[in-house]
Amino acid sequence: NAGVTQTPKFQVLKTGQSMTLQCAQDMNHNSMYWYRQDPGMGLRLIYYSASEGTTDKGEVPNGYNVSRLNKREFSLRLESAAPSQTSVYFCASSEGTSVSYEQYFGPGTRLTVT
Amino acid sequence: GNSVTQMEGPVTLSEEAFLTINCTYTATGYPSLFWYVQYPGEGLQLLLKATKADDKGSNKGFEATYRKETTSFHLEKGSVQVSDSAVYFCALGPHNYGQNFVFGPGTRLSVLP
Repeated sequence: NAGVTQTPKFQVLKTGQSMTLQCAQDMNHNSMYWYRQDPGMGLRLIYYSASEGTTDKGEVPNGYNVSRLNKREFSLRLESAAPSQTSVYFCASSEGTSVSYEQYFGPGTRLTVT
Repeated sequence: GNSVTQMEGPVTLSEEAFLTINCTYTATGYPSLFWYVQYPGEGLQLLLKATKADDKGSNKGFEATYRKETTSFHLEKGSVQVSDSAVYFCALGPHNYGQNFVFGPGTRLSVLP
């Protein structure tokens, strides 16, 4: 039981390049999330998927797209990377979006855009 | 909208010292409250939670009580260890469908031997 896995762990991009961050969970959770973590700002929600087949914008969606490929997998795409997207990206999952469900986090992807 | 305020860090303590990390929140309704911990190089892990007013969450010697009257959820531990060095995040859970978690900025704790 691996929980939430993310690939890659580290990535360096040049401005304008594109890439996709992969996330998978093996807990049969319905809901999945992408966050970015910046110093002094905690975690900010980029996009989430409440259930398979649905996606919604979070607090900071600009410059990103997501795909809920199936119940297990939720990918985050940067179409044209910018230095402002340098951050640590975390994927998370939960049973649902109800009030008391905790979120389980992956180990993170550290992205640098030069 | 919902928001979480945490005390500024970093916090540096000696081993066996008493720890308090303050957390206050602004929210509509009565959301669940959470403390998450992030050890170096890892993702966040749930430390404890409380789902209603006056509930006390506890785990690994840490405690926090959901105080509706002061809109607070302060984290405490009586005797910290070096292994408690990490970043601690207070978070507000969703109260209604369509809302999401709101995380505080995090407080970095360093415990010295």
